[in-house]
Amino acid sequence: QQPVQSPQAVILREGEDAVINCSSSKALYSVHWYRQKHGEAPVFLMILLKGGEQKGHEKISASFNEKKQQSSLYLTASQLSYSGTYFCGTGLTGTASKLTFGTGTRLQVTL
Amino acid sequence: NAGVTQTPKFRVLKTGQSMTLLCAQDMNHEYMYWYRQDPGMGLRLIHYSVGEGTTAKGEVPDGYNVSRLKKQNFLLGLESAAPSQTSVYFCASSSYSSGDGYTFGSGTRLTVV
Repeated sequence: QQPVQSPQAVILREGEDAVINCSSSKALYSVHWYRQKHGEAPVFLMILLKGGEQKGHEKISASFNEKKQQSSLYLTASQLSYSGTYFCGTGLTGTASKLTFGTGTRLQVTL
Repeated sequence: NAGVTQTPKFRVLKTGQSMTLLCAQDMNHEYMYWYRQDPGMGLRLIHYSVGEGTTAKGEVPDGYNVSRLKKQNFLLGLESAAPSQTSVYFCASSSYSSGDGYTFGSGTRLTVV
């Protein structure tokens, strides 16, 4: 069963913040986040493991709430380059276990 | 430093024809995957492999076969193409101990008419 992502789409002005959520009905071992620009391959952003670990990458960070089986991706002071579709991928066992991806959140950053 | 290379990038098939998509990685990754991406449905796993000579079914395996005779290559075959297999296909690889996530190929856009 695919994880559920919300919102499905969001439009931001440059400099604004956004949060993208990913929820699963299964007990997760890991959550991955990827960004895909139109016509390109998904690119890995970060991985979170069970234990409630929070990670950061430039102005993009994420958290994993193990009790709720929910992960959130935080984009701070968005830039035009952040535009794209964001996918979460959930794994049940191990850091490299096969992933089930959500349907994606389309993010558009405008001037 | 090529990463994951997929060939071909584009292909048009007639219903009933067969073809093989090739995925090659040069990162010595143990795991390899084939996903298909359709509008509004995200990425769905077709087949995957945890090592040379081993393969397993994913969420949507029907109509596809795979082989991994060498660690660096993962082939996806369509024996008798159907219009429902029109999609963008992505290959990915990962290391079993890595925190670096998947590395994806650039994709193959397949149209079945």
